[in-house]
Amino acid sequence: DAGVIQSPRHEVTEMGQEVTLRCKPISGHDYLFWYRQTMMRGLELLIYFNNNVPIDDSGMPEDRFSAKMPNASFSTLKIQPSEPRDSAVYFCASSFTDYSRETQYFGPGTRLLVL
Amino acid sequence: GNSVTQMEGPVTLSEEAFLTINCTYTATGYPSLFWYVQYPGEGLQLLLKATKADDKGSNKGFEATYRKETTSFHLEKGSVQVSDSAVYFCALRTNAGGTSYGKLTFGQGTILTVHP
Repeated sequence: DAGVIQSPRHEVTEMGQEVTLRCKPISGHDYLFWYRQTMMRGLELLIYFNNNVPIDDSGMPEDRFSAKMPNASFSTLKIQPSEPRDSAVYFCASSFTDYSRETQYFGPGTRLLVL
Repeated sequence: GNSVTQMEGPVTLSEEAFLTINCTYTATGYPSLFWYVQYPGEGLQLLLKATKADDKGSNKGFEATYRKETTSFHLEKGSVQVSDSAVYFCALRTNAGGTSYGKLTFGQGTILTVHP
């Protein structure tokens, strides 16, 4: 298995620019999660999807953040416009619904730096 | 609401020392409990889990027992190695239905550094 794939692995951009982070979940998984990790706030859940439908976006910090999942094998997290305080590592994770296989599998993360 | 509290870090040990990282939780219902590990520059990986009271999860020499009476899931290892240096996260997942299904609640993470 390829695991959860994220791209890019590193992104450096200037304040005000649009940033798009991408995620390919593990084939067959029906849950997809976006997390943000910073030193100050730890690991925060931003949004998660079930069968491509957003279920809970209460962790999305503000309207500058949006996420989509157009099909079962692809999701994007977009920040427009970006700000320096958005600098963080963004993780995507996926899992099965099946209670017996409830582990979330994390991607390697995208390290975002907004100057 | 659900919450997970981990012991303050960072934790620094010498190789072959005994490790304990405390974790306590607050949750409705009967949660499943997890320990995840994050090595430098990588994503989180599941280390071990326990799905009901008195279950013991174990992997790679690490162990944790689900203690319902004390709402705890402390991580232990009898003899740590330099390669165990990482950040360790305790997490819970409630097994109730509805929109919270599948959602993990993480603790703040504990940094472990093991010196030769």
